[in-house]
Amino acid sequence: SQTIHQWPATLVQPVGSPLSLECTVEGTSNPNLYWYRQAAGRGLQLLFYSVGIGQISSEVPQNLSASRPQDRQFILSSKKLLLSDSGFYLCAWSRVSEQFFGPGTRLTVL
Amino acid sequence: DQQVKQNSPSLSVQEGRISILNCDYTNSMFDYFLWYKKYPAEGPTFLISISSIKDKNEDGRFTVFLNKSAKHLSLHIVPSQPGDSAVYFCAASKRSGSEKLVFGKGTKLTVNP
Repeated sequence: SQTIHQWPATLVQPVGSPLSLECTVEGTSNPNLYWYRQAAGRGLQLLFYSVGIGQISSEVPQNLSASRPQDRQFILSSKKLLLSDSGFYLCAWSRVSEQFFGPGTRLTVL
Repeated sequence: DQQVKQNSPSLSVQEGRISILNCDYTNSMFDYFLWYKKYPAEGPTFLISISSIKDKNEDGRFTVFLNKSAKHLSLHIVPSQPGDSAVYFCAASKRSGSEKLVFGKGTKLTVNP
C-alpha cells in the first residue's frame, strides 16, 4: 500500500529565515506530486505540482519554490520567510484522478 | 475567479438525520468530481467521487449526486454521526488533463449528539 510522509509536523520560524519542508511517497512509482497550502479560514490552494523528476509547475507567484530531486521526493523551500507564509502545508500524490494527502505541516512565521 | 464554490461555510445537523453538503462549479470542462473530509491538523482524506457520465454514486452512508445542467453536486450523509463532524471539501478536475484538482473553500459540518 502507498503511504505519504511529511516532516516536520509543526514548525515555528522567524521572518526572514529559510524553509525546507520534505515530502516522500512510498509504495508507488512515478506519482504526480503536489504542494498545497491551507491558510486560516480559506480552502486548499495549489502551490506546485510535478509530473516527474525535475519537472515543477508553479500555480501562483509567491515567496516559495519546489524541487523534485528524486521520483518520490518533493521539497518545498523558501530563502526568506514572510509572515504571510504561515499556514498548513499539505503534500499530495496521485496516479489517476484521486489525490491522497499527507498529514501536513503547520508553519508559523513570527 | 472561483471555479468551485461551496457557499455554506458551516452546517449543523442532528445525529441520525441527513447531512446535505452542496457544491457548484463554473467550468464546463470539469468531468470528475471528488469529496474530501478533513479533521483539524490532518491532511484531507478522500471520501467519494463521481464521473460526469454518472449522476449518482453511493458508498455506504455517503452518496454524491451530480446535476451537470445545473453545474451542481451534493454530498448526502445518511444517517449522520458525530464522527462525521469535519470540514468537507468539494473538488473538480478535467480528468483528461493534468489531474490538477480545484478545491472549494470547504463546509464545516457539525453533527450534534
